[in-house]
This record gives sequence, C-alpha cells and structure tokens, in this order.
Amino acid sequence: DAKTTQPTSMDCAEGRAANLPCNHSTISGNEYVYWYRQIHSQGPQYIIHGLKNNETNEMASLIITEDRKSSTLILPHATLRDTAVYYCIVRGYTGRRALTFGSGTRLQVQP
Amino acid sequence: EADIYQTPRYLVIGTGKKITLECSQTMGHDKMYWYQQDPGMELHLIHYSYGVNSTEKGDLSSESTVSRIRTEHFPLTLESARPSHTSQYLCASGSGGNANTGELFFGEGSRLTVL
Repeated sequence: DAKTTQPTSMDCAEGRAANLPCNHSTISGNEYVYWYRQIHSQGPQYIIHGLKNNETNEMASLIITEDRKSSTLILPHATLRDTAVYYCIVRGYTGRRALTFGSGTRLQVQP
Repeated sequence: EADIYQTPRYLVIGTGKKITLECSQTMGHDKMYWYQQDPGMELHLIHYSYGVNSTEKGDLSSESTVSRIRTEHFPLTLESARPSHTSQYLCASGSGGNANTGELFFGEGSRLTVL
C-alpha cells in the first residue's frame, strides 16, 4: 500500500471549512484513498473514500487531484465535535485489506 | 451505527494473569482485525482473520493469540500478562467481497492496564 504524508496538526475556527491535505505520490492505479478519524482514543470512524472522482457524503467531501498524487478532505462547517486525529490511508482492494494507520493530522477546532 | 462490541472496556490486572479480550460483531463480516494503540501513538495491526479458522499475525509482533471459531467472534488472549502489555486494544471488522467497499467498523476499544 502506498505511503501517505499529512501535516502533524491544524487549527480551524468553528463554523469554517476545514481542509485537510494528504500527499500520496506513490499511489497506484487500483488503490483507493480512505479517510478515518479518531476522537479521543475511541475506535476510528470511517469518513469517506474515493478512487479518482471527487466524493461527497453527509460528513465530508473528498477532492482527489487529477494525477491522484494528493487529496483534500473538506469538512464544510467544522464544529467542536470535529476535533480529532484524521487519518488519510491508501489501500488496494486485494489481500488482507487491513488499514495501515500513520500518525494522521490532529485537527483542533477552536470556538 | 456499527454493531461491533468489545468487552471489557477497561481492565486492570496483576502481572502473570491470563486475560481474554472479547470482540463480537453482528454484521456477518468475514474479516476481523485487532489493533494495538498506546496513548498518543499510532495504531498497529497485531492480528487479522479472513474467516472462520483463519488467523494471521499482523505488522506488530505481539505475545497475544487469537482464535476465530465463529464468524461473529474474535477473542484475543494473553496467557501471562505483563506491564509491557498495557495498552488499548481495538477490534475491527469489514466485509471483503466488494472492491469498492473499504469501510472497517471499529469497536470502542479495551483499555488494559497490567500492574
């Protein structure tokens, strides 16, 4: 599975959009980009995933660049409850299908 | 809401005791996983299972063992707990049939402290 690079931490004002970047320059054609978050040592929570098209669900939007070497998770209106560690993970769809978590981005939403 | 449950949520025991952390899911998922996470640190895969009677070691070496006798149940056992085993253990499950599904569902974790 391809390696990802994320900023260690970010701040965002409550009510504003939070844009979390992720670099995955070695991604291969059959690998998906997944985003999870972990709130205060609870079990990680799935947010969204995509292959090459932009994706949106009730939680967030995922923007993947055309060359697929980077992506951005967008939380459109961040709330205090969105304070968490956000993990960007690249994974293929064969094999054990486990997720390899890096250190993620610690997002602090400020009131 | 995910239907995956871990017990106990918190456990404090003495050195040398045998412990079993329970993990059950009601979603019929064939793949299940155990991760270990120390406070403020990354999650590391320690065990996984493709299905009944299938278990494999993960990326991080662990003295724990697992079993998968039933689809819904994936317990983790430490035969003789030591202080170095103090950590949070997170169980997860996922379906394996569809290439477009990647979602893993996590339990709330079992926080183990060995004195």
